[in-house]
Amino acid sequence: DTGVSQDPRHKITKRGQNVTFRCDPISEHNRLYWYRQTLGQGPEFLTYFQNEAQLEKSRLLSDRFSAERPKGSFSTLEIQRTEQGDSAMYLCASSLDRGYTFGSGTRLTVV
Amino acid sequence: AQRVTQPEKLLSVFKGAPVELKCNYSYSGSPELFWYVQYSRQRLQLLLRHISRESIKGFTADLNKGETSFHLKKPFAQEEDSAMYYCALNYGGATNKLIFGTGTLLAVQP
Repeated sequence: DTGVSQDPRHKITKRGQNVTFRCDPISEHNRLYWYRQTLGQGPEFLTYFQNEAQLEKSRLLSDRFSAERPKGSFSTLEIQRTEQGDSAMYLCASSLDRGYTFGSGTRLTVV
Repeated sequence: AQRVTQPEKLLSVFKGAPVELKCNYSYSGSPELFWYVQYSRQRLQLLLRHISRESIKGFTADLNKGETSFHLKKPFAQEEDSAMYYCALNYGGATNKLIFGTGTLLAVQP
């Protein structure tokens, strides 16, 4: 197990297009988190899964955002009708107890 | 509302000098605090958590509830300590969701 993997590493998309990111957590971790980080800021919580159940969503997560974690394994984060304000680093983290293991992130640029 | 404040964007010290990275928090519940570190071209990783009361890579952090602070300290800085440091607060209880500060870039000069 090489840790938390995120794909793709970079994504450039045109405004209005849909994008999907994937996160593969550490296999024995039942908790999975998505965060968003913009320049000069710390990561901001977006959503949380325990196994396959999405238990919490931030108000930052508008209706254009949707996340899934089928069968409690990998997770996907989809953004529909992207806007320039969606440009950010999207981080995935998994956890078994209190500390997170982060992935390298997906950097999204909306042009 | 919960908040984590790291007042310094950049802290520059010379090798061998003491380091203190400041973190203040605002939270109505019982705080659970962490320090995460991001070295150049690496992913964000957990450095230490206050519950463990541990020392990692020579760094320590003590929770001071009276001053609502969780400053990160190291008596003698090394060049390899240069990185971005984030203080984080668990504000989600059992969900363990974190609120992060804006980070402090530590630059250790030779």
